[in-house]
This record gives sequence, C-alpha cells and structure tokens, in this order.
Amino acid sequence: GQQVMQIPQYQHVQEGEDFTTYCNSSTTLSNIQWYKQRPGGHPVFLIQLVKSGEVKKQKRLTFQFGEAKKNSSLHITATQTTDVGTYFCAGPNTGGFKTIFGAGTRLFVKA
Amino acid sequence: DSGVTQTPKHLITATGQRVTLRCSPRSGDLSVYWYQQSLDQGLQFLIQYYNGEERAKGNILERFSAQQFPDLHSELNLSSLELGDSALYFCASSGGDISYEQYFGPGTRLTVT
Repeated sequence: GQQVMQIPQYQHVQEGEDFTTYCNSSTTLSNIQWYKQRPGGHPVFLIQLVKSGEVKKQKRLTFQFGEAKKNSSLHITATQTTDVGTYFCAGPNTGGFKTIFGAGTRLFVKA
Repeated sequence: DSGVTQTPKHLITATGQRVTLRCSPRSGDLSVYWYQQSLDQGLQFLIQYYNGEERAKGNILERFSAQQFPDLHSELNLSSLELGDSALYFCASSGGDISYEQYFGPGTRLTVT
C-alpha cells in the first residue's frame, strides 16, 4: 500500500546547528503537511504545501515540496532548544480522504 | 489551544472492558479523524468522519468502532480491551473532507491493565 517514509528517525544536534528531515512518498501526493509534536504534547499543524517545487518559510523553518510531488523536506536553521520534538510529514492517500503519516523524526537539541 | 477537545484525558481500565472516548471538533469543522499513537511510535490513522458519515477507514480493529453525531462531536468505542490497546488516542478535525491541515486535540491516554 501507499507509504510515507521519513528519515532520519532521530537527530541529535548542538544548539545553533542546522537540522533537516526528509519525507518520501511511494506515490504522488496532492499535498503534504508538516506537524510538530513536543514531548508529552499533541501534533501541531505547521504548514501545508500543494504546488510542485513549492518552498515556504516560517522564520527559521524552510519547507520544500519536490518537483514530482513525491518528496518533501523541512530544514531548521540554527536550532534552538525550543525546536525539540518530533516532526511528522503527512499526506493524503490516492483517494484523498485517508491521511498517511511518516514515522517522524525526533529532534534532540543540546544547549 | 487547537480548539479540539477530548475527554477523558486519562483512562485506566482492565482487559476485556469497554471504553468510550469523546471528541469535539473545532467550531465549524466538519471532519473528525481518530489516530492511535503507541509509546514512542508514529500516528496510526484509524477512521475519519465527515458531517456524520464515515469517509475513510485505516487500520482500525473490529473491536473498535466510531461515530459522529449530528452536533459533529465524535466518539470512539473500544471493546474487549487488550494490553496492546494501551496508547494515546488523538482526535483531529479539519474543515473539509479531503485530507488537509488537521488540528489535534490533547489526546486521551488509555492504559489497559
């Protein structure tokens, strides 16, 4: 079935270093969503990308959607301790109603 | 605060029992999604309702069922509980029926002993 794969599973960085997580879908996606879940919290919607090749920025976060609409990335510049958490990508299945989440990348930031 | 509410926050019950989890979506949202998150695991999609109708089903066990009521709140019923059902159960809501941005509730932590 349709799969959304995310790497790496874990990432340890020193505060101030950059961080990137990658998301790959086995099929073309109509859109891709990114969520952040803090330890002990619930997933929080960050952004949605719809267009092929789209790039969106939110302060230190840069999101990209691949030209083929099968991959995406989230890049954080100069990480801070507040960036700690798990970052999930998600996309709709072929029919559009079911949301498939990647396994997430857990980010640890050392001060 | 996402505007999505879930009750109860915590639930401890014994194997073989039945429980009901409740979710109220954000004001104006017609879709409700249910997810299961086991310890340090990803989010497993269970089921989606849109305006009272079931829209999509994921890996939901036959022992589990859900419904969405006319006032748009939703309930997830878990029966014949097993130890492996212990997890966080999240409800999310969105405006449309197609998978777009979703707003998650705080979750219900279910512990089966």
